[in-house]
Amino acid sequence: GAVVSQHPSRVICKSGTSVKIECRSLDFQATTMFWYRQFPKQSLMLMATSNEGSKATYEQGVEKDKFLINHASLTLSTLTVTSAHPEDSSFYICSARDGLAQNTGELFFGEGSRLTVL
Amino acid sequence: RKEVEQDPGPFNVPEGATVAFNCTYSNSASQSFFWYRQDCRKEPKLLMSVYSSGNEDGRFTAQLNRASQYISLLIRDSKLSDSATYLCVVNLPSGNTPLVFGKGTRLSVIA
Repeated sequence: GAVVSQHPSRVICKSGTSVKIECRSLDFQATTMFWYRQFPKQSLMLMATSNEGSKATYEQGVEKDKFLINHASLTLSTLTVTSAHPEDSSFYICSARDGLAQNTGELFFGEGSRLTVL
Repeated sequence: RKEVEQDPGPFNVPEGATVAFNCTYSNSASQSFFWYRQDCRKEPKLLMSVYSSGNEDGRFTAQLNRASQYISLLIRDSKLSDSATYLCVVNLPSGNTPLVFGKGTRLSVIA
């Protein structure tokens, strides 16, 4: 199956700093990538839809100025958590669907990034 | 009402047992359905798609009832390695839309 690579897998930072997470589709082009967040014992919650070459679409309640998304190419989307606070500590997962198979449903996930803000 | 609801779990079963998970979804126009598996602190991975006619993959059987908006997953002859969280997932109709995840049901298979 398709491969999505996410980096870093784990990051610890101080409160007030910014953290960038990268998501790459390795063997396919993804015009759209999805960013999810998962708190302990909770379901994956969609944060935003990242569109190549245009602005991301954010879900209700997700601050676009805090969670900056850039999708500059067909294989790379980045999520930057700005001025991180302890409540931002979570598991962030990106996902993408092969552009040639948009309606098949399956999403391929990155390995996830576990953010801990001290 | 939540878009996708699952059995709360956790399910603790002995090796060799048969266990069933249920899931309901609220959007009657949903087109695609899946079961994903998520191990602790890992990303979700597709276990199987769910088709209207029902489908089986080894020890796993998935069923879909569109009239009742209900999905199920049956695991036979449980193995220790089946211990994980099972996520019921729904794809909304049309376009390149994200998947909607249930909260997940945790399964622990005990020796």
